[in-house]
Amino acid sequence: GENVEQHPSTLSVQEGDSAVIKCTYSDSASNYFPWYKQELGKGPQLIIDIRSNVGEKKDQRIAVTLNKTAKHFSLHITETQPEDSAVYFCAASSLFSGGYNKLIFGAGTRLAVHP
Amino acid sequence: SQTIHQWPATLVQPVGSPLSLECTVEGTSNPNLYWYRQAAGRGLQLLFYSVGIGQISSEVPQNLSASRPQDRQFILSSKKLLLSDSGFYLCAWSERRSGQNTEAFFGQGTRLTVV
Repeated sequence: GENVEQHPSTLSVQEGDSAVIKCTYSDSASNYFPWYKQELGKGPQLIIDIRSNVGEKKDQRIAVTLNKTAKHFSLHITETQPEDSAVYFCAASSLFSGGYNKLIFGAGTRLAVHP
Repeated sequence: SQTIHQWPATLVQPVGSPLSLECTVEGTSNPNLYWYRQAAGRGLQLLFYSVGIGQISSEVPQNLSASRPQDRQFILSSKKLLLSDSGFYLCAWSERRSGQNTEAFFGQGTRLTVV
């Protein structure tokens, strides 16, 4: 089955620096790659996603890149702020019959942004 | 706009007691519904998904069951809880769209502690 590996497990940066989180997936049929941010005690919130027909997508300080050949995708956060501190999850999904998409998640990255 | 409600937020139950967690979605119809479990410091594991009323698929064998009595209602149950059932349970929904993966949106979660 699909497997998603995420690195690093923890990341500590100074405010204003950039943060990069990387994920690799195993199923070449995967075609949808969302990223979620989870704050303590809350449910994950979708922050950005990318589909397999796109190589890069940007939304203000957040960008995601996808390399389908290498089966890896990355989250880039620029000009980090203390409120970016959270656990970030990547996921990969392929489409099944009936319109059901099964998300397989990475183990998460705990990002700490220090003032 | 669509919203997802999940309750209770926290729950402490003795071993051997029954469980019922409820999730409802508003503002959409015929959604795909999901139950995930998150162990402490780890990623999200898909437990059940549903593509319609009464249609439940299980991803992993376990002590839990799910039901979908109404289009926008998803219930997670157990007849007798085990210590290993402790965790953070998350309900999610996604729009059913033929031929395309869609975003999944999560509830705020239920922290279950079995004592």
